[in-house]
Amino acid sequence: DQQVKQNSPSLSVQEGRISILNCDYTNSMFDYFLWYKKYPAEGPTFLISISSIKDKNEDGRFTVFLNKSAKHLSLHIVPSQPGDSAVYFCAASVRGGADGLTFGKGTHLIIQP
Amino acid sequence: SQTIHQWPATLVQPVGSPLSLECTVEGTSNPNLYWYRQAAGRGLQLLFYSVGIGQISSEVPQNLSASRPQDRQFILSSKKLLLSDSGFYLCAWSSRGGHEQYFGPGTRLTVT
Repeated sequence: DQQVKQNSPSLSVQEGRISILNCDYTNSMFDYFLWYKKYPAEGPTFLISISSIKDKNEDGRFTVFLNKSAKHLSLHIVPSQPGDSAVYFCAASVRGGADGLTFGKGTHLIIQP
Repeated sequence: SQTIHQWPATLVQPVGSPLSLECTVEGTSNPNLYWYRQAAGRGLQLLFYSVGIGQISSEVPQNLSASRPQDRQFILSSKKLLLSDSGFYLCAWSSRGGHEQYFGPGTRLTVT
């Protein structure tokens, strides 16, 4: 049973445009959500996070939106740059996160020149 | 600043051989430590987590075990590797009470 779902395996966006990556979850106990960026053969890098008490968090070019009623979150990257090409993972945690994160399968973002 | 190390970076082992992967964290005390595995075309699956020395919790039944002999050291082991143990193994840490986890560079394990 996949509790965190990223339904788009890949996404292609033109450089300078907005990239929108989506994530859905099923577990109502999740109270914290995170986005990670991963290059091949490297560990994931933390990008941005949001608590379930908020509906938006912004950090530079990255903004995460949370819709709790729909159990949906999205990551917006504006403007998209060539270095943004990577696999993006959505993750969620329960009760302070000490017992680990639940990850989606990832979306491969490709920024085209 | 905090740093997390993993070694080796790549490993090729025959079926039935033992395994030992090591992870160490610098620049922090009393971290929560985690082992994840990424199989080909899949997301990251949590294998083990630890909130203190000697305290290990396992998320899924498997052929692997973990140990935490020191505060900032986390070891992933197996007595006899299976083909299905192949994958990309990642160690991560978080601070006590923190949600964000920070990952090491990973170990690519191929069981032949």
